[in-house]
Amino acid sequence: EAGVAQSPRYKIIEKRQSVAFWCNPISGHATLYWYQQILGQGPKLLIQFQNNGVVDDSQLPKDRFSAERLKGVDSTLKIQPAKLEDSAVYLCASSGGETGNTIYFGEGSWLTVV
Amino acid sequence: AQRVTQPEKLLSVFKGAPVELKCNYSYSGSPELFWYVQYSRQRLQLLLRHISRESIKGFTADLNKGETSFHLKKPFAQEEDSAMYYCALTIQTNDYKLSFGAGTTVTVRA
Repeated sequence: EAGVAQSPRYKIIEKRQSVAFWCNPISGHATLYWYQQILGQGPKLLIQFQNNGVVDDSQLPKDRFSAERLKGVDSTLKIQPAKLEDSAVYLCASSGGETGNTIYFGEGSWLTVV
Repeated sequence: AQRVTQPEKLLSVFKGAPVELKCNYSYSGSPELFWYVQYSRQRLQLLLRHISRESIKGFTADLNKGETSFHLKKPFAQEEDSAMYYCALTIQTNDYKLSFGAGTTVTVRA
């Protein structure tokens, strides 16, 4: 079974630039999550989708972060403009279908803002 | 709001020695607790969950509601257990969102 796919794996940008991360969840998983993991900390939920609807985006800094899952499958997370403190690993995860509520993670997208 | 605390950032043990990773949580209801593991250059993956009451790779964890703890234990550590371990919590009423602790890095020395 294919896992959660993310791209790009690594990205270095200057502050005030923009960046977008893409995620393809496990086939059949209705729930998709984006987590932010800053070095030395545990992952923190940014946004949760159920199909193409947002379930929770209370921790998403909406002045600069946006995310969408238009067709209920792939998702994109965008940061514009980026700040130095956005340097982190952005983890996409999914759950649902035959695997129930077990959450499966992608390898992450490493962002460095300089 | 629920919170997960892992008091040890680093844990170093010798091969064959017991290892215990501490996890405490704060939540007044009945949470579901997990341990996730991240081996070097690999993705975060589920190790075990308290409702399964399983032993995975020799690891066990018991939910102690009185002490609000979910410590992870293994009687004889192996070198391949070197990894980052995260304790996580979810509650059924919050759509199974996971709240993670800060993680513990385990190094098993030969």
